[in-house]
Amino acid sequence: EAGVTQFPSHSVIEKGQTVTLRCDPISGHDNLYWYRRVMGKEIKFLLHFVKESKQDESGMPNNRFLAERTGGTYSTLKVQPAELEDSGVYFCASSSLTGVVYEQYFGPGTRLTVT
Amino acid sequence: AQKITQTQPGMFVQEKEAVTLDCTYDTSDQSYGLFWYKQPSSGEMIFLIYQGSYDEQNATEGRYSLNFQKARKSANLVISASQLGDSAMYFCAMREVQTGANNLFFGTGTRLTVIP
Repeated sequence: EAGVTQFPSHSVIEKGQTVTLRCDPISGHDNLYWYRRVMGKEIKFLLHFVKESKQDESGMPNNRFLAERTGGTYSTLKVQPAELEDSGVYFCASSSLTGVVYEQYFGPGTRLTVT
Repeated sequence: AQKITQTQPGMFVQEKEAVTLDCTYDTSDQSYGLFWYKQPSSGEMIFLIYQGSYDEQNATEGRYSLNFQKARKSANLVISASQLGDSAMYFCAMREVQTGANNLFFGTGTRLTVIP
């Protein structure tokens, strides 16, 4: 079974540019999560999809971030326009079920550097 | 306020020795889950072990065990018989039930280095 995959693995862009990150969850997982880790800080939740619907987007930092999950399969996270403080590692995770006991399976992350 | 605190930015352990990675948490929920993840240099986050707040016994998974002290709100990870492949970042995380959210709260991580 393929794990969670993310593309690209690294992205270096200039301030003001646009970047789109992609996440492919484990097949059949309805729940998809985006997290971000800024250097030296904790990993922070951004948002949660159930199928194609946004269940919780309380962690999205501002309206420069747009997440979509068309058809309830893969998801994209667009940052437009990117700012320096957006640099970090963006993780995607998926799970088959929700609830306290069900672990989330994480992808390898996309390292975003905004210069 | 920080929900998960990992006070050890880095730890060293001799190969074949045991090591404890500290984690304390803060929640007012009665029902919650605690997780440990490992992040090797390759970047992926690997789930290691889970402890539910109502579980009376400490969770164990192979060489990993979770020292759960509910009254102290601590959930330390114990790795026995350390191996070179255990060198990685380790993250403690929590999910609360009563808030209804499904996201995980993470600590800042501990970088473990196993010395041959």
